[in-house]
Amino acid sequence: EVQLVESGGGLVQPGGSLKLSCAASGFTFSGSAMHWVRQASGKGLEWVGRIRTKTNNYATAYATSLEGRFTVSRDDSKNTAYLQMNSLKTDDTAVYYCTSGYYDSSAYFGYWGRGTLVTVSS
Amino acid sequence: DIVLTQSPDSLAVSLGERATINCKSSQSISYSSNNNNYLAWYQHKPGQPPKLLIYWASTRESGVPDRFSGSGSGTDFTLTISSLQAEDVAVYYCQQYHSPPFTFGPGTKVDIK
Repeated sequence: EVQLVESGGGLVQPGGSLKLSCAASGFTFSGSAMHWVRQASGKGLEWVGRIRTKTNNYATAYATSLEGRFTVSRDDSKNTAYLQMNSLKTDDTAVYYCTSGYYDSSAYFGYWGRGTLVTVSS
Repeated sequence: DIVLTQSPDSLAVSLGERATINCKSSQSISYSSNNNNYLAWYQHKPGQPPKLLIYWASTRESGVPDRFSGSGSGTDFTLTISSLQAEDVAVYYCQQYHSPPFTFGPGTKVDIK
């Protein structure tokens, strides 16, 4: 059974940092690109960023609106992906989902975690 | 960035009737080299992660009921629910994976009339 389990969410002050983790199991993690998608309360889905596999040089890409504040990384030895979020703003408050396609170049998302809530507030 | 728009914003359909959602891309999301359309559809219910319904614009994900179908090419796409069931109440999103950033449409809320 495929599982993606996010952790690391919580309350953080504006300007602060937070690092989310996504532990994967049940599929070939090292062969899959990993993505993050978020949803603010009452809003739609927003793609955040992705990291490809070692074969594709761990290439990353991000939503334009993030202005370089977020970084996606991965540790294939731990089957875990990460989302480092810096200079957080109140607008970053959202549920953050870890998601994956079925192979490295697949950017439609068949696997989803249940999400972790990030609240940016003073 | 490729911008996706969806219409309508919401719709209410009687049980057993057809629901049609449109998704329009700001530029073509197909590649002439392979004729594939890089568009997916998701169903999202409150408290759950989104669920993949359709990819390559018209390929139904395994386990998805055949009342869900996708069509279209280039810049104009459609998700059709042929006979709406109570469990289909949700928000539906289109998503392009032609090129990063991989954007979603704003969503269409489907309810029972």
